[in-house]
Amino acid sequence: KAGVTQTPRYLIKTRGQQVTLSCSPISGHRSVSWYQQTPGQGLQFLFEYFSETQRNKGNFPGRFSGRQFSNSRSEMNVSTLELGDSALYLCASSLDSTGYEQYFGPGTRLTVT
Amino acid sequence: GENVEQHPSTLSVQEGDSAVIKCTYSDSASNYFPWYKQELGKRPQLIIDIRSNVGEKKDQRIAVTLNKTAKHFSLHITETQPEDSAVYFCAASITGGYNKLIFGAGTRLAVHP
Repeated sequence: KAGVTQTPRYLIKTRGQQVTLSCSPISGHRSVSWYQQTPGQGLQFLFEYFSETQRNKGNFPGRFSGRQFSNSRSEMNVSTLELGDSALYLCASSLDSTGYEQYFGPGTRLTVT
Repeated sequence: GENVEQHPSTLSVQEGDSAVIKCTYSDSASNYFPWYKQELGKRPQLIIDIRSNVGEKKDQRIAVTLNKTAKHFSLHITETQPEDSAVYFCAASITGGYNKLIFGAGTRLAVHP
């Protein structure tokens, strides 16, 4: 099976702009979680979607949002970008609602200037 | 709040030696504990996991132990090889509807030939 894919892989944006990142889970996987990875804060949970419903959200401002489509693909959106949003954004998919075995995509490296 | 502490932050060993990484979690409801390996520029890779109803799990040269009473879990790598060099992350989560991994800060393992 193909692994988790994310597009784009690299992105450079300017402060104040918005960005949309995409994640395609492993075929058959229905849960998608998003994480932010930075050198200072490590890996932090953003949100999780299962069957098109956001079930859990991390401690991030409302500028961070997401959604999941009926084919389990997910997108996350960051509005009004700030310099501190520069990070590697990783999505992970798992088979079902239990939360076991989350497999990560390669990430999208977002740079905000 | 939820927290996972991971030690040491860096670990340097000679090829063939064993390496041990330890984590402590705060939420006693946590019942799933995966370990990820992240090589430079790569995605985190799930290498082993353990559920709360098991005290130990092995997979070739790697093993994980869990002490629920003390809220500790550890990763053991035996007969280390240079290709084991990477950053290792422990994580804890509550399964069954949350799919939210709380990560430790990571351990940078260097295996010297």
